[in-house]
Amino acid sequence: SAVISQKPSRDICQRGTSLTIQCQVDSQVTMMFWYRQQPGQSLTLIATANQGSEATYESGFVIDKFPISRPNLTFSTLTVSNMSPEDSSIYLCSALAGARETQYFGPGTRLLVL
Amino acid sequence: QKEVEQNSGPLSVPEGAIASLNCTYSDRGSQSFFWYRQYSGKSPELIMSIYSNGDKEDGRFTAQLNKASQYVSLLIRDSQPSDSATYLCAVTVSGAGSYQLTFGKGTKLSVIP
Repeated sequence: SAVISQKPSRDICQRGTSLTIQCQVDSQVTMMFWYRQQPGQSLTLIATANQGSEATYESGFVIDKFPISRPNLTFSTLTVSNMSPEDSSIYLCSALAGARETQYFGPGTRLLVL
Repeated sequence: QKEVEQNSGPLSVPEGAIASLNCTYSDRGSQSFFWYRQYSGKSPELIMSIYSNGDKEDGRFTAQLNKASQYVSLLIRDSQPSDSATYLCAVTVSGAGSYQLTFGKGTKLSVIP
């Protein structure tokens, strides 16, 4: 398995501002992912963070709104840009780890946009 | 649209009973199947993975997979109040490197003492 940490664990932000969420894995991993989980809903994949290249975004998510960095095999950041109240959600980082490359999740970042 | 369907519940079972959670998926090419447990306010925690037809047991948990019926289930024996959580079924997306997951909406389980 993998131990994944995220910072910050929660934040309250004003609309129009940006927040960068950090994700750190305790070992080198091939793939990292960013998800959003809105209240009472399941997980929606935002993008796959690729090391050394641009992230791969899912339908409905764009780089200008959710820029992602992956500078090495243990770290990634997700920025939520020009925030609006609709961006209030839990943002989760995950990584593939283990012999069968299973996804493990970080503790999440709870974001509230006022 | 590749979908994963779960009964949202809530599913209530008495302590000590067997809880049965079900999941169907639409993508016939899916190869890997997972059950995650998510406590309120926490992130998903992997509890079971299954890759081939049949049953896989781990302690009080048994995952069952039937690819022909596109059906995967999770049985929890001797249910405990600490099992009360939302259980998410997740399935890999074929043709996407077998790494991307599609999640169901989750089944909320409540174990009554």
